[in-house]
Amino acid sequence: GAVVSQHPSWVICKSGTSVKIECRSLDFQATTMFWYRQFPKQSLMLMATSNEGSKATYEQGVEKDKFLINHASLTLSTLTVTSAHPEDSSFYICSASFGGKSGTEAFFGQGTRLTVV
Amino acid sequence: SQKIEQNSEALNIQEGKTATLTCNYTNYSPAYLQWYRQDPGRGPVFLLLIRENEKEKRKERLKVTFDTTLKQSLFHITASQPADSATYLCALGLSMLTFGGGTRLMVKP
Repeated sequence: GAVVSQHPSWVICKSGTSVKIECRSLDFQATTMFWYRQFPKQSLMLMATSNEGSKATYEQGVEKDKFLINHASLTLSTLTVTSAHPEDSSFYICSASFGGKSGTEAFFGQGTRLTVV
Repeated sequence: SQKIEQNSEALNIQEGKTATLTCNYTNYSPAYLQWYRQDPGRGPVFLLLIRENEKEKRKERLKVTFDTTLKQSLFHITASQPADSATYLCALGLSMLTFGGGTRLMVKP
């Protein structure tokens, strides 16, 4: 099956710094990538949808200037948490689809645990 | 408002029994419904996808039903094993997904 890899698996950063998380589709070209956030004991909440070569579409309540998403190639999307604060500590998960926004199923990465201290 | 509800309480069952998990939704008309398994600290792992025109789908020990009139899906694990212990998530959609809160399943030996 299609493989999606996230890096890093976990990261600890100081408050006020920025952190970049990578999401790669290893064996297919991902037209669309999705970024989710999961707080402890809660479910995954969609943050944004990114299509290769265009600006990401953010869900209501997600600050686009704080969570910068770049999808510069068909195999890589990055999420940068800028000026991170402790409340940004969460589990960030990406998924990738190769059929467009509503085309085919998506495949998930293993997630990145972000801890802001 | 739109809502996807899964039993937030953990489901404890004995090894060998059938586990049945429920997913109810309101104010959605999904063309697809999916079930995922999530272990602590890991991303969700895809289990089954069922389309709106399908009533039931099976994969090895797993069975999913989809009742679009009741707006409900049931997820069954037969002959459950301790290794089946995890959180199971119901999700609506195909690639862009809306998740339920998940149900934690504990299978005791």
